[in-house]
Order: sequence, then structure tokens, then C-alpha cells
Amino acid sequence: IAGITQAPTSQILAAGRRMTLRCTQDMRHNAMYWYRQDLGLGLRLIHYSNTAGTTGKGEVPDGYSVSRANTDDFPLTLASAVPSQTSVYFCASSDSSLSSYNEQFFGPGTRLTVL
Amino acid sequence: GQNIDQPTEMTATEGAIVQINCTYQTSGFNGLFWYQQHAGEAPTFLSYNVLDGLEEKGRFSSFLSRSKGYSYLLLKELQMKDSASYLCGPLDSNYQLIWGAGTKLIIKP
Repeated sequence: IAGITQAPTSQILAAGRRMTLRCTQDMRHNAMYWYRQDLGLGLRLIHYSNTAGTTGKGEVPDGYSVSRANTDDFPLTLASAVPSQTSVYFCASSDSSLSSYNEQFFGPGTRLTVL
Repeated sequence: GQNIDQPTEMTATEGAIVQINCTYQTSGFNGLFWYQQHAGEAPTFLSYNVLDGLEEKGRFSSFLSRSKGYSYLLLKELQMKDSASYLCGPLDSNYQLIWGAGTKLIIKP
């Protein structure tokens, strides 16, 4: 693989169910990010990780959790999905989050619908 | 607080020139990114400005004025494939990318 992959591509989920969105990158980037994108609101940061073993909260972290056990993987978990979590979720990575030039590379996105 | 302002939508004609403006207010500043996003796809990098002035890259140019908190993306010789959303994103003092809601550009023949 080259770049960032996300799985699943899309998912319909019943409210209250647990769901993990997967994200894998093969660029050996230190930093990874999870965003949600809703119509008219742009990209909003959910959680981020500056390096393997560390995570941080973004603008809209409630209802989501992440882990960063290694450099390549950064899964996002919805413990108990609610309809307001219906959105398109993008995973991104960058070489470093702590430098002025940290171009972010995006995965193809996961379209999640919570009913 | 942090705030990014871009027009919601713009329309232009194929072959013409269009300028997409972005004003920002952030806690500190470490440069500004422009990304392009086609409908249903992921954002892709277009440009990065950290110093004042114009950066030219083929048909696309990006301008920055740090004192005015202002940037624009200039697209020349518009093509139908340029129909997309354009996202402005300054880096704040913590190197967090603060995204604007994006400008949807519609190109008409």
C-alpha cells in the first residue's frame, strides 16, 4: 500500500452500537489525525497523535477515543454511537506536527451513518 | 477565539481567473495551507505560505499578508476539473491546522 488507507469505506450503524474506524499509513509519519467533516462546517479535529504512544484531544473529542500503539495505525472508536455522529471521517498524517511545514496527507474517508 | 472566513460559494467561467479570499484570526501563526477537495474525495495539498507575498505554482498562486490576517488563492485559465471546494487552513501557535469551512467553486462552460 502507499499512503493512507481507511476502513470501512462506508457503514450504517444502529445507535448505541460500538464501532471502530481503522486507519493505516505506510509513510512512517510521526503525526496522525482524525477529522470529521459535516456539510457547511468544514473539517473538525477529533483527536490527534504527535507520535506513537501519545494522543491528544482536538476540537470535538466527546464520544470518541483513539489509541496509537505503533507508528502505522491510528484507530478511532465510537463507544456508543449516536445519530449526531453521522458524518464523513477522514484520517490524516504528517511527518511532524511540531514544525511549520507539516503538510497533511489524507485517507479516502469513511462515510458513517448512525440511525 | 480562532476564526477563519471564506466565501461559501463562487462561480466562474471556464478559461477565466478567480480569486478565493481567506481571512483568519488565530492564536499565533505558523503559516497557511490551501487544500483542494473534489466532491466525495479527500482534501489534497495545493500550497503553503509562511512569508508575505505571492507563491506561484503553475496555474495556481497563493498570497499571504500576515499583518492583515489575509490570504488568497488565485486560479488562472480555469478548467472544468477545477470545480471543487478550496480549504484555507492557518497553523496556530501550537502548529494545529485550523480549517475554514471551504469555498465551493463552480466552473461554468
